Amino acid sequence: SQKIEQNSEALNIQEGKTATLTCNYTNYSPAYLQWYRQDPGRGPVFLLLIRENEKEKRKERLKVTFDTTLKQSLFHITASQPADSATYLCALGDTGGFKTIFGAGTRLFVKA
Amino acid sequence: GAVVSQHPSRVICKSGTSVKIECRSLDFQATTMFWYRQFPKQSLMLMATSNEGSKATYEQGVEKDKFLINHASLTLSTLTVTSAHPEDSSFYICSARSARLAGGPGSYNEQFFGPGTRLTVL
Repeated sequence: SQKIEQNSEALNIQEGKTATLTCNYTNYSPAYLQWYRQDPGRGPVFLLLIRENEKEKRKERLKVTFDTTLKQSLFHITASQPADSATYLCALGDTGGFKTIFGAGTRLFVKA
Repeated sequence: GAVVSQHPSRVICKSGTSVKIECRSLDFQATTMFWYRQFPKQSLMLMATSNEGSKATYEQGVEKDKFLINHASLTLSTLTVTSAHPEDSSFYICSARSARLAGGPGSYNEQFFGPGTRLTVL
């Protein structure tokens, strides 16, 4: 069955450092991959989308890589800030966008 | 733009009662809406997909008679949890997808999520 794995352990980093989160998947060939931010008790907020034919995508302090051979995506937040503390979800989508599968997320804590 | 609201934000009800949750796209027309359920520290689990004017498509294991979904207009979808039981307590989140916005940066069908509804069944 399709499976998405994100590090279930929280990631603790110091302010100003780069946070790197990992998303691995199996038994799936997604047309695209998305990253969302979710704060406690809130719905997810879309951050970035990267297509299967793209290797890297950047948006301000965010960078996403997508390796379809390794079946892995890395999500980087540079110059991290305490306000970046949240849970980050990885999601995979098919060509038609009819179904999106979410990972359980990784909790990020940025210490001042 | 692309704002989705949910009402109520939290609800507490007695076992056996029915609860209706509304999901509205405020500034765009949502051709498709999705309903998810999320348990603590777990991923969002898709319950059903609804297209305006047609019956919802339920995921395997989701009881359609228990979770009634209505997508009567391009800006409103409702989820009714019928005869709720304590095990139905969860965080319910809707999302909406816009055909008009599909050609933009999120052309692979970016979803816009509501803030979620916390349901507690006593």
